[in-house]
Amino acid sequence: KQEVTQIPAALSVPEGENLVLNCSFTDSAIYNLQWFRQDPGKGLTSLLLIQSSQREQTSGRLNASLDKSSGRSTLYIAASQPGDSATYLCAVDPGGGADGLTFGKGTHLIIQP
Amino acid sequence: GAGVSQTPSNKVTEKGKYVELRCDPISGHTALYWYRQSLGQGPEFLIYFQGTGAADDSGLPNDRFFAVRPEGSVSTLKIQRTERGDSAMYLCASSLSSSTGELFFGEGSRLTVL
Repeated sequence: KQEVTQIPAALSVPEGENLVLNCSFTDSAIYNLQWFRQDPGKGLTSLLLIQSSQREQTSGRLNASLDKSSGRSTLYIAASQPGDSATYLCAVDPGGGADGLTFGKGTHLIIQP
Repeated sequence: GAGVSQTPSNKVTEKGKYVELRCDPISGHTALYWYRQSLGQGPEFLIYFQGTGAADDSGLPNDRFFAVRPEGSVSTLKIQRTERGDSAMYLCASSLSSSTGELFFGEGSRLTVL
């Protein structure tokens, strides 16, 4: 059974710092990996989707990498801002819709102004 | 619509009651998913629809939970004889197709069973 782990569980840094969030998964047979952001009491906002054949994706200040063979992904946030404060969730997709996405528990990020 | 819409946003009910949660996916999206999220946890898969049919309902916890999508668009998650342990955020997501992968989530329905 696929398991997804996110480290750290929580992170608090001053504004302006670059930071890295980590995601690991136990079964490398994935179709894609998706990073989401979740604000308190809200739904999930898709940030980046990396297909299994890709190594990384970039969107603005966000960069996500994927190393399928080692079962790892990282989300890099450059020049962090207080508005980046949220919970960041990593999810892997086995493909075909079956079983849906398997999520980690998330990293709760606080950017101090 | 512009995004995935879920109603109600909040539902408080008493133990033993019946509850329906509605999801209106992005127009044209054929794949629809229901997830449940408890506090401090990641979302857990409940059921996946491709069109009108439930392609995978392996995540439904027991037979008190049921979901339909009769016309391949709006879906309703139905919970019978609610229990306090059913309290959670219920999230709906849609995708253009199961093969494209990217999921778009609604704002969720917060269910509280007293």
